[in-house]
Amino acid sequence: DTAVSQTPKYLVTQMGNDKSIKCEQNLGHDTMYWYKQDSKKFLKIMFSYNNKELIINETVPNRFSPKSPDKAHLNLHINSLELGDSAVYFCASGTGLTGANVLTFGAGSRLTVL
Amino acid sequence: SQQGEEDPQALSIQEGENATMNCSYKTSINNLQWYRQNSGRGLVHLILIRSNEREKHSGRLRVTLDTSKKSSSLLITASRAADTASYFCATFYSGGGADGLTFGKGTHLIIQP
Repeated sequence: DTAVSQTPKYLVTQMGNDKSIKCEQNLGHDTMYWYKQDSKKFLKIMFSYNNKELIINETVPNRFSPKSPDKAHLNLHINSLELGDSAVYFCASGTGLTGANVLTFGAGSRLTVL
Repeated sequence: SQQGEEDPQALSIQEGENATMNCSYKTSINNLQWYRQNSGRGLVHLILIRSNEREKHSGRLRVTLDTSKKSSSLLITASRAADTASYFCATFYSGGGADGLTFGKGTHLIIQP
């Protein structure tokens, strides 16, 4: 049973479109995250969500919005896609404990904007 | 921003040799973690070392932490082809609008058979 699963694995779309990536975790973790990995493999945190509080990285454009229907899901919606949004997006979950917050990652969703 | 920097960016060694990667970070930490990413896959947690620990072992992995120098190293002994991957150090960062692990840029390790 996959601990953190995200769909789709690949997404190719045109500029200006709106798309969503879904993420589900079955670990019972309290906190979920979205990360963006660019072509140079640099990982940037986009959002953290702990079932009560959404914390947004201030550098993330407001075209990106996370939505959490419940504790086990954190979906990522992207409006008006731009070329620069092309990247691999990773969902992760963790216990949320500052002292030992080990993350479990999904396999990634590769987004290509044409 | 709180961010690790791995060194070297890329490392190529022969199978059976030891691989050492280094990480530097900027501010005080509670713990430091190392993750591995195989090509086309998500990151996998390898090991966590707390700020009051100086060395930790897990199988063929040895991690050291020097809080006075704000640096850590990951040693992989007796490397195997399957160790080919990118390795990232990560520290918890609270601030800048997002609480969570902040990753360095990674070391790409290639094990030559």
